[in-house]
Amino acid sequence: QQQVKQSPQSLIVQKGGISIINCAYENTAFDYFPWYQQFPGKGPALLIAIRPDVSEKKEGRFTISFNKSAKQFSLHIMDSQPGDSATYFCAATPDVRFGAGTRLTVKP
Amino acid sequence: DGGITQSPKYLFRKEGQNVTLSCEQNLNHDAMYWYRQDPGQGLRLIYYSQIVNDFQKGDIAEGYSVSREKKESFPLTVTSAQKNPTAFYLCASSLRDRGRGFYNEQFFGPGTRLTVL
Repeated sequence: QQQVKQSPQSLIVQKGGISIINCAYENTAFDYFPWYQQFPGKGPALLIAIRPDVSEKKEGRFTISFNKSAKQFSLHIMDSQPGDSATYFCAATPDVRFGAGTRLTVKP
Repeated sequence: DGGITQSPKYLFRKEGQNVTLSCEQNLNHDAMYWYRQDPGQGLRLIYYSQIVNDFQKGDIAEGYSVSREKKESFPLTVTSAQKNPTAFYLCASSLRDRGRGFYNEQFFGPGTRLTVL
């Protein structure tokens, strides 16, 4: 039962480009939306998170855009770098639901 | 240094053996979780615990068991009933948001890679 749908499954971006990962949720009780970054062989690490009372949150090159009426949120990585190559997971709480993940590759 | 530790980093199991994966946190978090991750896949919840001496099954609990005797510790046992245990196992913890009454983001350990020989 996947309550958070994430796309695309994989993404290839050139260095300096913008990476965009999208997530959609079904349960309107979700009220906190974190994003995680996972490097191979490591545990996921919290990257950035948003509550539905704001439409956008920015931290450095990472921005979350949130559309409450559409029940969608997305991660934008500006000026993507090879070091950003990792798997990204969106999530929604409570109920602790993760998206399936997006493997991002940034080519130099 | 606060954080979550998992041990061992690599674990090999023979057919028919039970093995126990350790997870310890010193973040004073209320809730702890176990996830299984298969290659190229997402995170699947095995068990979680919100309070000492209490835990709930996740989506794939069959063949696994847990205990929560201390707030800091949440070991996972992979039993011989788990037919395909080879995977990357992740432990996480989270703090209860007293205002919302729910849990916010999770903090993950470094993982244990289990291989069946």
